[in-house]
Amino acid sequence: GAVVSQHPSRVICKSGTSVKIECRSLDFQATTMFWYRQFPKQSLMLMATSNEGSKATYEQGVEKDKFLINHASLTLSTLTVTSAHPEDSSFYICSAAPGTGLNTEAFFGQGTRLTVV
Amino acid sequence: GDSVTQMEGPVTLSEEAFLTINCTYTATGYPSLFWYVQYPGEGLQLLLKATKADDKGSNKGFEATYRKETTSFHLEKGSVQVSDSAVYFCALSVSTDKLIFGTGTRLQVFP
Repeated sequence: GAVVSQHPSRVICKSGTSVKIECRSLDFQATTMFWYRQFPKQSLMLMATSNEGSKATYEQGVEKDKFLINHASLTLSTLTVTSAHPEDSSFYICSAAPGTGLNTEAFFGQGTRLTVV
Repeated sequence: GDSVTQMEGPVTLSEEAFLTINCTYTATGYPSLFWYVQYPGEGLQLLLKATKADDKGSNKGFEATYRKETTSFHLEKGSVQVSDSAVYFCALSVSTDKLIFGTGTRLQVFP
């Protein structure tokens, strides 16, 4: 299957700082990328959907000014957690799809464990 | 709203044992159903899927049947291996690319 690389896999940052997470599709062009967040023992929750060259669509309850998403190219999307606080500590996962539609398979990154201290 | 409920883990089995991981869903439309697997240190991978009622998805010895009457999509394997140790996620998609996931079930298989 296709490969999606997410970086870093783990990051620890101080409260009040910003953290950038990268999601790259290595062998295909990703029209659409998705960002998920997972709390311990809870489901992966979709945060936002980004389409290359346009603004991301955020799910209800997700602060777009806090979680900045940039999808400037067909192979790279970034999620920046701004002014991070301990409650932002979580597991963040991206996925990328080569097309759109119900039968388009999405490929997932390895995830990023963010710890805010 | 749409949701997926799957059994809590961990599920601990001996090699060659029979596996069932339960998954039920709630959806307003006619969802497609998926099982994803996440091996240690790797991203989620699509294991199998079914797009309509009574469809059976299968892959690598795993099977799941889309049961509309019981709104279920239970994952089964007749004989598990140590290499099947992973976290398994049940998911649904209704009308867009959005996937709604269950909480994941960790499977541990011992020799």
